[in-house]
Amino acid sequence: QVQLEESGPGLVRPSETLSLTCTVSGASINGKTYYWSWVRQSPGKGLEWIGYIYYTGDNSYNPSLESRVSISTDTSKNQFSLRLDSVTAADTAVYYCASLGSGGYNYFFDHWGQGALVTVSS
Amino acid sequence: DIQMTQSPSSLSASVGDRVTITCRASQYINNYLHWYQQKPGQAPKLLISAASTLQSGVPPRFGGSGSGTEFSLTITGLQPEDFATYFCQQSYRTSITFGQGTRLELK
Repeated sequence: QVQLEESGPGLVRPSETLSLTCTVSGASINGKTYYWSWVRQSPGKGLEWIGYIYYTGDNSYNPSLESRVSISTDTSKNQFSLRLDSVTAADTAVYYCASLGSGGYNYFFDHWGQGALVTVSS
Repeated sequence: DIQMTQSPSSLSASVGDRVTITCRASQYINNYLHWYQQKPGQAPKLLISAASTLQSGVPPRFGGSGSGTEFSLTITGLQPEDFATYFCQQSYRTSITFGQGTRLELK
């Protein structure tokens, strides 16, 4: 059973960098099965895909965030991380890490972390 | 980006009712459409993939249909645990997008 758990600061100051880590158990970050992803949800709002990283090191990011976001892996710890630069209050959200799995050419989020609330405030 | 529009945004129903939620894509997405259920304070849970494939452990009262640009999620015989928010998600394009959600409330 794949399990994911987010960790990182719950408060980030405006213009600074948001950093979160996702620890994965039950699957290898180096495996071909999943694209390791981040999704966020602003208070009372819908879901926004941030991006993902594959075992090859290839990334894909939401075009609306691409200039500020970076996702990387630490295979020795079976973790992947999110970095979002120059944050504003609009980046306040619950951040989820998730595994993006596939069935044929379909890709869907089949395992999720519990979510980490990050507030951007001075 | 492909825009996903759900309707209605909210829905009131009673236990035992049959309800249908619709998701419309701004362009053709074949069957690359997935449905999630989210309860307050919890992460979303995958219910249906590829428009109609029920995930393991999801009760058969949940059903999905559609292809192209129009999709639906139907719950037949609502149970108390089904009152939640439902989201659709497309994976036709690399830039994944979600619908805005449909909140299903107890009447």
